Amino acid sequence: QITLRESGPTLVKPTQTLTLTCTLSGFSLDARNLAVGWLRQPPGKALEWLSLIYWDDDKRYSPSLRNSLTVTKDTPKNQVVLTVTNVNSADTATYYCAHVDFGGKPVHFAYWGQGALVTVSS
Amino acid sequence: DIVMTQSPLSLPVTPGEPASISCRSSQSVLHSNGYNYLNWYLQKPGQSPQLLIYLGSNRASGVPDRFGGSGSGTDFTLKISRVEAEDVGVYYCMQDLEFPYTFGQGTKLEIK
Repeated sequence: QITLRESGPTLVKPTQTLTLTCTLSGFSLDARNLAVGWLRQPPGKALEWLSLIYWDDDKRYSPSLRNSLTVTKDTPKNQVVLTVTNVNSADTATYYCAHVDFGGKPVHFAYWGQGALVTVSS
Repeated sequence: DIVMTQSPLSLPVTPGEPASISCRSSQSVLHSNGYNYLNWYLQKPGQSPQLLIYLGSNRASGVPDRFGGSGSGTDFTLKISRVEAEDVGVYYCMQDLEFPYTFGQGTKLEIK
């Protein structure tokens, strides 16, 4: 059974760095043709894609946030970590990680974590 | 970036009646492999999004067959043949043809 679970701080001060962890279960990111994506949703607003990290450690980022995002994977711990530097109020959102399978027909985000609500405030 | 535009943004529906949501992309999301890289998600109140349709017309595992996706190129439609109370929520289309992946604004389906 594939599950993902986000964890991290609920409150971050402006200009600080936000670090979120996605813990994977039921699959490993060293398996070929898999990836994990990060997305977010500001309160009452639409979904926004942030980044993708592939099984081979290739990475993609949203161009609008490219300078503030970093995604890494810790295969032994079966975790994916997203950092957002120099946060501001616009980064207040629920952050999701989600599963991608490129084997055969590509299926994006068939499995999602429960989400982690992060508020940026002093 | 590919801009995704959904309509309507609000959709009141009587249970048992059909419903239709349109999604248009600013450029074609048809891949050279013949697949349309267009997905539909439903976010029920207080929940994470769930995948309904991938590659334009493929129902995800466990999705009832009253949900159907169609279209090609830049124009896509999600149809619900008979709306049930559990279908309430916000529906999003998303293109995953090229980075950055982009979503529509969302269509809120409510029961009359």
